[in-house]
Amino acid sequence: DADVTQTPRNRITKTGKRIMLECSQTKGHDRMYWYRQDPGLGLRLIYYSFDVKDINKGEISDGYSVSRQAQAKFSLSLESAIPNQTALYFCATSDGKRGPGEQFFGPGTRLTVL
Amino acid sequence: SQQGEEDPQALSIQEGENATMNCSYKTSINNLQWYRQNSGRGLVHLILIRSNEREKHSGRLRVTLDTSKKSSSLLITASRAADTASYFCATPGSSNTGKLIFGQGTTLQVKP
Repeated sequence: DADVTQTPRNRITKTGKRIMLECSQTKGHDRMYWYRQDPGLGLRLIYYSFDVKDINKGEISDGYSVSRQAQAKFSLSLESAIPNQTALYFCATSDGKRGPGEQFFGPGTRLTVL
Repeated sequence: SQQGEEDPQALSIQEGENATMNCSYKTSINNLQWYRQNSGRGLVHLILIRSNEREKHSGRLRVTLDTSKKSSSLLITASRAADTASYFCATPGSSNTGKLIFGQGTTLQVKP
């Protein structure tokens, strides 16, 4: 079984709809991240969480919100989706006890906003 | 803002040849990481090199780090078609908080 899972894997929605992307991990890591990937722009950090009570904005948090329901779960919400939020979204985890080290990525969610 | 910038953006080689990708960054770092992404999939960690290391090997991968030039290179030797992917360098964000900042990536195509 995959250590970091994301649901859904693909989603097509309309402008103005509320969307939630979910991420779960079985690695026991304390740190979780949400990135978006656009062609030619690499990965950009949306939000990150170092533990259940610690949530921080990344470089492109506008239009997004997150919830860390448990150490193993980190959800990303688009309150009112817009077309320029069409992208590939990745969740990642890392072990904070090991410092700024390797991150483990989920398989991604491809979101299309019409 | 982008911390790492990869060069070239795209690279096409024949199977068996070596592939070299470069990464430049702007601020002081304590480590630099390389990741691989197969088309449309999640990133996979390849190697981490610390600021006090100059070179590191892992199988067919060789990574160098030059902190004076703020640059790193990833060399894949004896490339295979399965190495076709995008390769990203990543450096810690400010204050070494565990955040990573990714470059835009190099797309490598290895032709059989």
